[in-house]
Amino acid sequence: AQKVTQAQTEISVVEKEDVTLDCVYETRDTTYYLFWYKQPPSGELVFLIRRNSFDEQNEISGRYSWNFQKSTSSFNFTITASQVVDSAVYFCALSEAGYSTLTFGKGTMLLVSP
Amino acid sequence: NAGVTQTPKFQVLKTGQSMTLQCAQDMNHEYMSWYRQDPGMGLRLIHYSVGAGITDQGEVPNGYNVSRSTTEDFPLRLLSAAPSQTSVYFCASSYSGAGRGAEYEQYFGPGTRLTVT
Repeated sequence: AQKVTQAQTEISVVEKEDVTLDCVYETRDTTYYLFWYKQPPSGELVFLIRRNSFDEQNEISGRYSWNFQKSTSSFNFTITASQVVDSAVYFCALSEAGYSTLTFGKGTMLLVSP
Repeated sequence: NAGVTQTPKFQVLKTGQSMTLQCAQDMNHEYMSWYRQDPGMGLRLIHYSVGAGITDQGEVPNGYNVSRSTTEDFPLRLLSAAPSQTSVYFCASSYSGAGRGAEYEQYFGPGTRLTVT
């Protein structure tokens, strides 16, 4: 069975601080996909990134970066120089090859104060 | 493209009432899913479909029915609403490509907030 753990329930930072959101996953498959979604206070789910299990390259997109390490089954998300608009709930999710559905972690609420 | 649309946005039901949450997509996606989101629980899969006429249960299917008569629509039926079904419901769709499932991005609808009293 697949499982995603986001151990940090809530994180509070002050603007311009860097923050890392942790994600640890479990799966028996060798082919799988990892995702991060953002849910702002307005409630919609915003897709941030998808990574397949064969691509361990880290990715950077503006202030966002992701660190994928198969050795520790982790897919951590870092926001550099956080801004108030980054305040949201962030979900990590996993899907195994051949499946169209996602297993989500419980989410991390990030509060960025001015 | 409208993407994934859900109606209604908000609904209040009394215990025992039935209703259907509507979900439609105009992207010709084969895969569609329903999730519920509860505080502190993340999103949990209710039912999913890999194509018209094919549905299957997810992690929390009890109390819900689905059918998929067309590619575009995937309604979720609450047979006899209970307070435990108070939640936010999200519908999602994705392309199947070469049948490799979640290789492709899941598109989520805006959600339906349901309260059962």
